[in-house]
Amino acid sequence: GENVEQHPSTLSVQEGDSAVIKCTYSDSASNYFPWYKQELGKRPQLIIDIRSNVGEKKDQRIAVTLNKTAKHFSLHITETQPEDSAVYFCAADGSGNTGKLIFGQGTTLQVKP
Amino acid sequence: EAGVAQSPRYKIIEKRQSVAFWCNPISGHATLYWYQQILGQGPKLLIQFQNNGVVDDSQLPKDRFSAERLKGVDSTLKIQPAKLEDSAVYLCASSPGLAGAGETQYFGPGTRLLVL
Repeated sequence: GENVEQHPSTLSVQEGDSAVIKCTYSDSASNYFPWYKQELGKRPQLIIDIRSNVGEKKDQRIAVTLNKTAKHFSLHITETQPEDSAVYFCAADGSGNTGKLIFGQGTTLQVKP
Repeated sequence: EAGVAQSPRYKIIEKRQSVAFWCNPISGHATLYWYQQILGQGPKLLIQFQNNGVVDDSQLPKDRFSAERLKGVDSTLKIQPAKLEDSAVYLCASSPGLAGAGETQYFGPGTRLLVL
């Protein structure tokens, strides 16, 4: 079945360091890969996404890379700040071209001041 | 623009009782999704609507869960009867276009359900 694996489940870094979260997906037909940030008790919010026709996308301190051959994609956060602390979810669009998303299990990022 | 609205925000019920959740998507959004997010896991799609039609309900436990979007705008999700394992956050999301890959989904704040 459709599956997205996300690692690590928890990540602790010092303020100013970089953080990397990795995901692998099972459906080779997936073409859309969003990343959501969810603060405690709040709604998931889209922070960046990438489509299969590009290999890398950057937005200020956040970047995402995609390797379609290996079926994995990664989120990179540079110069981390305490407000980056949250749970991050990767997702991939599921089969059938309906737009449904298959989410990873989440990564709890803690940025220590 | 106003975001996705959901109510109630919290609900506590006993097992075997029924419960209903309401979602109002962003104005003009054609596609609406209901997700279940169990503590410590990512959201899992329960049902997807395009306007007032069902696109995907393959993971909806139809013996106890039902959902409707009669006028193609707001939607309700019902559980009857509830089980302990239904304790979760129920997230509603909407996207502007017709159902299709690559549409950005905007999430509501969720309804946190606790079944005792």
